[in-house]
Amino acid sequence: TQLLEQSPQFLSIQEGENLTVYCNSSSVFSSLQWYRQEPGEGPVLLVTVVTGGEVKKLKRLTFQFGDARKDSSLHITAAQPGDTGLYLCAGEGSSASKIIFGSGTRLSIRP
Amino acid sequence: GAVVSQHPSRVICKSGTSVKIECRSLDFQATTMFWYRQFPKQSLMLMATSNEGSKATYEQGVEKDKFLINHASLTLSTLTVTSAHPEDSSFYICSAKRGSEGYTFGSGTRLTVV
Repeated sequence: TQLLEQSPQFLSIQEGENLTVYCNSSSVFSSLQWYRQEPGEGPVLLVTVVTGGEVKKLKRLTFQFGDARKDSSLHITAAQPGDTGLYLCAGEGSSASKIIFGSGTRLSIRP
Repeated sequence: GAVVSQHPSRVICKSGTSVKIECRSLDFQATTMFWYRQFPKQSLMLMATSNEGSKATYEQGVEKDKFLINHASLTLSTLTVTSAHPEDSSFYICSAKRGSEGYTFGSGTRLTVV
């Protein structure tokens, strides 16, 4: 069973601060996705990383895939209240037949 | 982008009854769909992989006789929660993968068993 651990589980920071969320596993993934989920809705894809060491930027969000493709990080610069939500990483195994979600990070940005 | 529609969005049922949830791929064909369950304050847990024209593949610990999955067409998968009990109350979410576009998720179904 592939397990993805996210840290921290909860994070509450002031608007304007920076933060990093980590997603770690002992397994190698062919790709890793980051999602954001609002209450009562399905997850929405933010980014997919597939190459070890890959870095992708989405406005104030920077995603990195570990060199060994076992871990990933999400860095948010100058957080805004609109960034509040549940952030989920999800890994796709080598067979590319399904994705498994991480434990989730609940982010709250205070105005 | 790919769109997955899930229905109903909310359902309340009495304990002991069965509830069917539909998941449709609106603008593409999906030979494989996935069903997840999410409890409050928790992440999504994969329940099963729905395969068009064949039996679903269930994750360890998921009762296949309780959570019946049917994938009779390339655009529709259904999840039936049989003999529902209050502990089955949860947020159920389906998803499908469209080629290189990755996985698209439905908007979820909030099931409350009373």
